[in-house]
Amino acid sequence: ETGVTQSPTHLIKTRGQQVTLRCSSQSGHNTVSWYQQALGQGPQFIFQYYREEENGRGNFPPRFSGLQFPNYSSELNVNALELDDSALYLCASSSGQREQYFGPGTRLTVT
Amino acid sequence: GESVGLHLPTLSVQEGDNSIINCAYSNSASDYFIWYKQESGKGPQFIIDIRSNMDKRQGQRVTVLLNKTVKHLSLQIAATQPGDSAVYFCAENGDTGRRALTFGSGTRLQVQP
Repeated sequence: ETGVTQSPTHLIKTRGQQVTLRCSSQSGHNTVSWYQQALGQGPQFIFQYYREEENGRGNFPPRFSGLQFPNYSSELNVNALELDDSALYLCASSSGQREQYFGPGTRLTVT
Repeated sequence: GESVGLHLPTLSVQEGDNSIINCAYSNSASDYFIWYKQESGKGPQFIIDIRSNMDKRQGQRVTVLLNKTVKHLSLQIAATQPGDSAVYFCAENGDTGRRALTFGSGTRLQVQP
Protein backbone atom coordinates (compact mmCIF):
# COMPACT_ATOMS: atom_id res chain seq x y z
CA GLU A 1 0.00 0.00 0.00
CA THR A 2 1.26 3.46 -0.91
CA GLY A 3 -0.72 5.51 1.59
CA VAL A 4 -2.44 7.38 -1.23
CA THR A 5 -6.21 7.12 -1.00
CA GLN A 6 -8.89 8.09 -3.47
CA SER A 7 -12.65 8.43 -3.27
CA PRO A 8 -15.05 7.32 -4.44
CA THR A 9 -13.97 3.94 -5.77
CA HIS A 10 -16.59 3.85 -8.50
CA LEU A 11 -18.90 6.48 -9.91
CA ILE A 12 -21.56 6.55 -12.60
CA LYS A 13 -22.59 9.87 -14.15
CA THR A 14 -24.67 11.06 -17.06
CA ARG A 15 -23.42 13.11 -20.00
CA GLY A 16 -23.37 16.83 -19.20
CA GLN A 17 -23.08 16.33 -15.45
CA GLN A 18 -20.19 17.43 -13.26
CA VAL A 19 -18.01 15.23 -11.04
CA THR A 20 -15.52 15.75 -8.22
CA LEU A 21 -12.90 13.15 -7.37
CA ARG A 22 -10.78 13.27 -4.25
CA CYS A 23 -7.26 12.23 -3.33
CA SER A 24 -5.34 12.16 -0.07
CA SER A 25 -1.60 12.17 -0.57
CA GLN A 26 0.96 10.11 1.26
CA SER A 27 2.23 11.63 4.47
CA GLY A 28 5.09 14.04 3.80
CA HIS A 29 4.30 14.45 0.10
CA ASN A 30 3.54 17.97 -1.15
CA THR A 31 2.92 17.22 -4.82
CA VAL A 32 -0.14 15.58 -6.34
CA SER A 33 -0.51 14.57 -9.98
CA TRP A 34 -3.66 13.39 -11.72
CA TYR A 35 -3.79 10.92 -14.59
CA GLN A 36 -6.53 9.51 -16.78
CA GLN A 37 -6.23 5.87 -17.79
CA ALA A 38 -8.52 4.60 -20.52
CA LEU A 39 -9.12 0.88 -20.71
CA GLY A 40 -6.12 -0.96 -22.13
CA GLN A 41 -3.89 2.11 -22.20
CA GLY A 42 -1.24 3.75 -20.11
CA PRO A 43 -2.06 6.67 -17.81
CA GLN A 44 -2.20 10.12 -19.42
CA PHE A 45 -1.07 13.16 -17.43
CA ILE A 46 -3.83 15.66 -16.66
CA PHE A 47 -2.14 18.13 -14.31
CA GLN A 48 -0.04 18.46 -11.21
CA TYR A 49 -0.36 20.52 -8.03
CA TYR A 50 2.50 21.65 -5.85
CA ARG A 51 1.86 23.62 -2.69
CA GLU A 52 -1.68 24.48 -3.77
CA GLU A 53 -0.67 25.80 -7.21
CA GLU A 54 -1.07 24.13 -10.62
CA ASN A 55 2.41 23.08 -11.68
CA GLY A 56 2.05 21.70 -15.18
CA ARG A 57 -0.82 20.54 -17.34
CA GLY A 58 -1.28 17.93 -20.05
CA ASN A 59 -3.46 18.07 -23.15
CA PHE A 60 -6.80 18.20 -21.42
CA PRO A 61 -9.51 20.84 -21.95
CA PRO A 62 -10.31 23.52 -19.34
CA ARG A 63 -13.38 21.61 -18.16
CA PHE A 64 -10.83 19.48 -16.27
CA SER A 65 -9.81 21.51 -13.23
CA GLY A 66 -8.35 20.85 -9.84
CA LEU A 67 -7.50 22.09 -6.40
CA GLN A 68 -4.95 21.31 -3.75
CA PHE A 69 -5.60 22.06 -0.11
CA PRO A 70 -3.19 23.13 2.66
CA ASN A 71 -2.96 19.51 3.86
CA TYR A 72 -1.90 18.60 0.28
CA SER A 73 -5.02 16.59 -0.47
CA SER A 74 -6.48 17.33 -3.88
CA GLU A 75 -9.63 17.35 -5.97
CA LEU A 76 -10.18 16.77 -9.66
CA ASN A 77 -13.28 18.37 -11.13
CA VAL A 78 -14.70 17.56 -14.54
CA ASN A 79 -17.53 19.64 -15.98
CA ALA A 80 -19.87 18.83 -18.88
CA LEU A 81 -19.01 15.15 -18.82
CA GLU A 82 -18.63 13.35 -22.13
CA LEU A 83 -18.80 9.64 -22.86
CA ASP A 84 -15.05 9.61 -23.59
CA ASP A 85 -14.37 10.77 -20.04
CA SER A 86 -15.14 7.23 -18.89
CA ALA A 87 -11.85 5.99 -17.48
CA LEU A 88 -9.84 5.19 -14.37
CA TYR A 89 -8.66 8.41 -12.74
CA LEU A 90 -5.43 8.03 -10.84
CA CYS A 91 -3.86 10.28 -8.29
CA ALA A 92 -0.16 10.11 -7.53
CA SER A 93 1.72 11.84 -4.75
CA SER A 94 5.38 12.66 -4.50
CA SER A 95 7.86 14.81 -2.71
CA GLY A 96 9.04 16.89 -5.61
CA GLN A 97 8.97 15.79 -9.26
CA ARG A 98 10.38 12.29 -9.29
CA GLU A 99 9.15 9.08 -7.72
CA GLN A 100 5.36 9.13 -7.78
CA TYR A 101 3.20 6.79 -5.74
CA PHE A 102 -0.24 6.02 -7.07
CA GLY A 103 -3.56 5.52 -5.37
CA PRO A 104 -6.03 2.79 -6.35
CA GLY A 105 -7.96 5.08 -8.68
CA THR A 106 -11.58 6.07 -9.20
CA ARG A 107 -13.46 4.29 -11.96
CA LEU A 108 -15.74 6.83 -13.69
CA THR A 109 -18.44 5.66 -16.07
CA VAL A 110 -20.32 8.24 -18.12
CA THR A 111 -23.57 7.09 -19.70
CA GLY B 1 4.82 14.47 -29.69
CA GLU B 2 7.34 12.60 -27.60
CA SER B 3 6.22 9.16 -26.53
CA VAL B 4 7.26 6.05 -24.72
CA GLY B 5 6.35 2.77 -26.35
CA LEU B 6 6.67 -0.93 -25.74
CA HIS B 7 7.66 -3.63 -28.22
CA LEU B 8 5.48 -6.52 -27.02
CA PRO B 9 1.91 -6.21 -25.80
CA THR B 10 1.89 -9.66 -24.13
CA LEU B 11 4.70 -11.79 -22.71
CA SER B 12 4.10 -15.33 -21.48
CA VAL B 13 6.77 -17.08 -19.39
CA GLN B 14 7.08 -20.19 -17.29
CA GLU B 15 7.28 -19.89 -13.54
CA GLY B 16 10.91 -19.78 -12.49
CA ASP B 17 12.17 -18.39 -15.79
CA ASN B 18 13.58 -14.92 -16.21
CA SER B 19 11.41 -12.26 -17.88
CA ILE B 20 12.56 -9.34 -19.98
CA ILE B 21 10.19 -6.51 -20.81
CA ASN B 22 11.39 -3.93 -23.30
CA CYS B 23 10.55 -0.29 -23.87
CA ALA B 24 11.62 2.30 -26.44
CA TYR B 25 11.53 5.99 -25.74
CA SER B 26 11.83 8.86 -28.17
CA ASN B 27 12.54 11.88 -25.97
CA SER B 28 16.32 12.23 -25.92
CA ALA B 29 15.96 14.83 -23.17
CA SER B 30 14.47 12.31 -20.75
CA ASP B 31 16.64 11.98 -17.68
CA TYR B 32 14.60 9.72 -15.43
CA PHE B 33 12.81 6.46 -16.11
CA ILE B 34 10.50 4.34 -14.00
CA TRP B 35 8.94 0.92 -14.24
CA TYR B 36 5.48 0.37 -12.78
CA LYS B 37 3.47 -2.80 -12.25
CA GLN B 38 -0.29 -2.64 -12.43
CA GLU B 39 -2.52 -5.46 -11.27
CA SER B 40 -6.15 -5.66 -12.28
CA GLY B 41 -8.28 -3.12 -10.45
CA LYS B 42 -5.31 -1.40 -8.79
CA GLY B 43 -3.19 1.66 -9.36
CA PRO B 44 0.34 1.41 -10.77
CA GLN B 45 2.90 0.18 -8.25
CA PHE B 46 6.44 1.57 -8.35
CA ILE B 47 9.02 -1.12 -9.09
CA ILE B 48 12.33 0.53 -9.87
CA ASP B 49 13.73 3.70 -11.36
CA ILE B 50 16.91 4.77 -13.08
CA ARG B 51 18.46 8.11 -13.91
CA SER B 52 20.08 8.88 -17.23
CA ASN B 53 23.59 9.00 -15.72
CA MET B 54 23.33 5.26 -15.06
CA ASP B 55 23.01 2.28 -17.40
CA LYS B 56 22.02 -0.38 -14.89
CA ARG B 57 20.27 -0.57 -11.57
CA GLN B 58 19.33 -3.61 -9.53
CA GLY B 59 16.60 -4.19 -7.02
CA GLN B 60 15.16 -7.26 -5.41
CA ARG B 61 14.77 -9.76 -8.30
CA VAL B 62 14.54 -6.87 -10.78
CA THR B 63 17.12 -5.12 -12.92
CA VAL B 64 16.59 -2.12 -15.15
CA LEU B 65 18.93 -1.49 -18.07
CA LEU B 66 19.15 1.80 -19.92
CA ASN B 67 20.74 2.19 -23.34
CA LYS B 68 20.72 5.87 -24.19
CA THR B 69 22.43 5.31 -27.54
CA VAL B 70 19.40 3.49 -28.93
CA LYS B 71 16.88 4.97 -26.48
CA HIS B 72 15.96 1.62 -25.02
CA LEU B 73 14.92 0.56 -21.54
CA SER B 74 14.38 -2.95 -20.24
CA LEU B 75 13.11 -4.58 -17.07
CA GLN B 76 14.47 -7.97 -16.14
CA ILE B 77 12.64 -10.05 -13.57
CA ALA B 78 14.55 -13.02 -12.18
CA ALA B 79 12.82 -16.27 -11.24
CA THR B 80 9.41 -15.03 -12.32
CA GLN B 81 6.57 -15.95 -9.98
CA PRO B 82 2.80 -16.16 -10.50
CA GLY B 83 2.47 -12.99 -8.41
CA ASP B 84 4.44 -11.15 -11.07
CA SER B 85 1.55 -11.51 -13.51
CA ALA B 86 0.39 -7.99 -14.27
CA VAL B 87 0.70 -5.18 -16.81
CA TYR B 88 4.06 -3.44 -16.75
CA PHE B 89 4.53 0.16 -17.83
CA CYS B 90 7.67 2.12 -18.44
CA ALA B 91 7.44 5.84 -17.88
CA GLU B 92 9.75 8.77 -18.41
CA ASN B 93 10.08 12.18 -16.85
CA GLY B 94 12.04 14.25 -19.30
CA ASP B 95 9.96 17.29 -20.12
CA THR B 96 10.76 19.47 -17.16
CA GLY B 97 8.35 22.11 -18.39
CA ARG B 98 5.46 19.71 -17.89
CA ARG B 99 6.88 17.86 -14.85
CA ALA B 100 4.80 14.87 -15.91
CA LEU B 101 5.32 11.17 -16.35
CA THR B 102 4.79 9.90 -19.90
CA PHE B 103 3.67 6.28 -19.94
CA GLY B 104 3.83 3.66 -22.63
CA SER B 105 0.85 1.46 -23.48
CA GLY B 106 2.00 -1.43 -21.30
CA THR B 107 3.06 -5.07 -21.60
CA ARG B 108 1.00 -7.82 -20.05
CA LEU B 109 3.15 -10.46 -18.33
CA GLN B 110 1.52 -13.86 -17.94
CA VAL B 111 3.32 -16.39 -15.75
CA GLN B 112 2.44 -20.00 -16.48
CA PRO B 113 2.69 -22.40 -13.51
